[in-house]
Amino acid sequence: QQQVKQSPQSLIVQKGGISIINCAYENTAFDYFPWYQQFPGKGPALLIAIRPDVSEKKEGRFTISFNKSAKQFSLHIMDSQPGDSATYFCAASKGGSARQLTFGSGTQLTVLP
Amino acid sequence: DSGVTQTPKHLITATGQRVTLRCSPRSGDLSVYWYQQSLDQGLQFLIQYYNGEERAKGNILERFSAQQFPDLHSELNLSSLELGDSALYFCASSDGPNQPQHFGDGTRLSIL
Repeated sequence: QQQVKQSPQSLIVQKGGISIINCAYENTAFDYFPWYQQFPGKGPALLIAIRPDVSEKKEGRFTISFNKSAKQFSLHIMDSQPGDSATYFCAASKGGSARQLTFGSGTQLTVLP
Repeated sequence: DSGVTQTPKHLITATGQRVTLRCSPRSGDLSVYWYQQSLDQGLQFLIQYYNGEERAKGNILERFSAQQFPDLHSELNLSSLELGDSALYFCASSDGPNQPQHFGDGTRLSIL
C-alpha cells in the first residue's frame, strides 16, 4: 500500500517560473514531512521539512504548504533555476523512536534556461 | 557532502553470491538507516539501528541482514543474491531518532 502519493512524475518549468510538486498521505499518524532533493549519482539531500502544527514553512526560494485536513502537502520552488533540475522526493514519518521515512515516488524537475 | 560515507560505490556480482555494504555515519550520529532505491519500488526503508541495537525493520528480505558496530559504522549483508536485488542502497544517519536523516551517496549493486 502506497502511503505517500506524489505528483507529477515529471515537470518542466522555464527559468524564473514556479515549480509545484504535490504529495498526499493516508496515515494520519504521520507527523513529520520532509522534502529531499536528489541529483544523479548522489544521495537524497534534505531540502526543507514541516510538522503538522504549521501550515507553511519557507526557506529561501523553497516553501512547503501543508493542509492537515486534506492530508496533502506541497513544495513550491520560486524563481526556479536550471541548477534546481533534480529529482524531488516528499516523505513522511510518524512519532516514536524509529522515525523511518516513507517516500513518495519522486518528481523529475527540469528547469529550462 | 553529507558526512555519511558508503563503500564501495559500485559492486558487480553474480546471482547466488553474498556481498557486504559498509556505511560510516556522520561523526557523533548514533542512528543509522538503510534504504533501497529501485526503479519499480522507489525508495524503501529497510532497517534502522541506534547505538548498536536494531530499532525498526521495514521491507527487508530474510536474505538481508545488518548490524551496527561499537564504532557506530554499519554493514548491510545481502546473500543468495537475485537479479531483482540490483538497486541503489543508501545509508542515512542522524544524531537522534527524532532528528533529520542525512544520506550517503549510496552503493550501486548490479547482479549479473
